[in-house]
Amino acid sequence: SQKIEQNSEALNIQEGKTATLTCNYTNYSPAYLQWYRQDPGRGPVFLLLIRENEKEKRKERLKVTFDTTLKQSLFHITASQPADSATYLCALANAGNMLTFGGGTRLMVKP
Amino acid sequence: GAVVSQHPSRVICKSGTSVKIECRSLDFQATTMFWYRQFPKQSLMLMATSNEGSKATYEQGVEKDKFLINHASLTLSTLTVTSAHPEDSSFYICSASPAGHYNSPLHFGNGTRLTVT
Repeated sequence: SQKIEQNSEALNIQEGKTATLTCNYTNYSPAYLQWYRQDPGRGPVFLLLIRENEKEKRKERLKVTFDTTLKQSLFHITASQPADSATYLCALANAGNMLTFGGGTRLMVKP
Repeated sequence: GAVVSQHPSRVICKSGTSVKIECRSLDFQATTMFWYRQFPKQSLMLMATSNEGSKATYEQGVEKDKFLINHASLTLSTLTVTSAHPEDSSFYICSASPAGHYNSPLHFGNGTRLTVT
């Protein structure tokens, strides 16, 4: 069966450090993989999209990698700040299909 | 740009009543909108795809007579939870994509917290 797995345990890091979140998937051949941020009681906000033929994508302090061999995406936040504390969701879909979301990883950045 | 507005943000209703949730794309047209349900500390579960001018497409296990979807215009989709019961209490979120492609980034409303007493 198709699965998207994100670490369900919260990730606690110190301000200024790099946060790395993992998204693993099975039985998908995604053309794209997306990352979203969700704050409590709010809808998700789109952050980054990476295509299957891209190894890495950057946006300001964010970096996403996409390894289709390992079936894994890593999401990095450098120089993390308390304001980065939120739940981060990865989402992907096979071509022509709906986006499916992982369970999300909660990030807590401590000052 | 690409703002999706969802209303109401919170609603409390009595068991057996119906509740309507609105999802509007404010600055773009959306032929397709998506409705999700999210339980605490769980992922977004796609309920249905709302198609402008035609019937919604429901995911397996979602009762179409229970969750009525109407997409009467290019900027408005509504989800009506009919004869609500306490187990319908959840966080409902809609989304849409300006590009309209299934793999395009989605813009989400801020969700509706439904509590059925």
